[in-house]
Amino acid sequence: EDQVTQSPEALRLQEGESSSLNCSYTVSGLRGLFWYRQDPGKGPEFLFTLYSAGEEKEKERLKATLTKKESFLHITAPKPEDSATYLCAVQPIGGGGNKLTFGTGTQLKVEL
Amino acid sequence: GAGVSQSPSNKVTEKGKDVELRCDPISGHTALYWYRQSLGQGLEFLIYFQGNSAPDKSGLPSDRFSAERTGGSVSTLTIQRTQQEDSAVYLCASTPGQGINQPQHFGDGTRLSIL
Repeated sequence: EDQVTQSPEALRLQEGESSSLNCSYTVSGLRGLFWYRQDPGKGPEFLFTLYSAGEEKEKERLKATLTKKESFLHITAPKPEDSATYLCAVQPIGGGGNKLTFGTGTQLKVEL
Repeated sequence: GAGVSQSPSNKVTEKGKDVELRCDPISGHTALYWYRQSLGQGLEFLIYFQGNSAPDKSGLPSDRFSAERTGGSVSTLTIQRTQQEDSAVYLCASTPGQGINQPQHFGDGTRLSIL
């Protein structure tokens, strides 16, 4: 069974204090790993897709990386507007391969 | 352009009542997904529609849950004889094609509360 575990569950940072969020996954074959941002009362907003180990994607203060067992979302010099819940999801190869399996997310709070 | 639209945004109903939740996908998107997000839980897949193919219903938790998609566009998720454990946020997403390697674009969900 596909599994996604995110850590930490919650993270408080000072503005400018860089850190990383972890997403560990177990899947028979990985088609893609997706990162989303979710603000309170809103649906998840797509950030990145990673397909193979060693791949990296960047967007503003965020950089996502992928290995064969986990993905990291690095946040450099965060600002209060980066506060949100960050969700990781995997899409497996094969049967039922279109649906996503999500982790429970990391709730990030960036303070002034 | 317009994103995925869901209605109502909030629904409060009594245990035992039936509810209908609506999803309008992004125009031209052929694949549509329903997920459920319970407090403290990850998003849980419910059902997937792709074009005229038979839907993947493998995530529906019981036969009280059903969904249809008319004309390849709007979808309705129906929950019959609601129970308190059905309280959750129901999210809809769509993709332009089959959804393989394509990011799913989500609506803001319907927050369902069963009294």
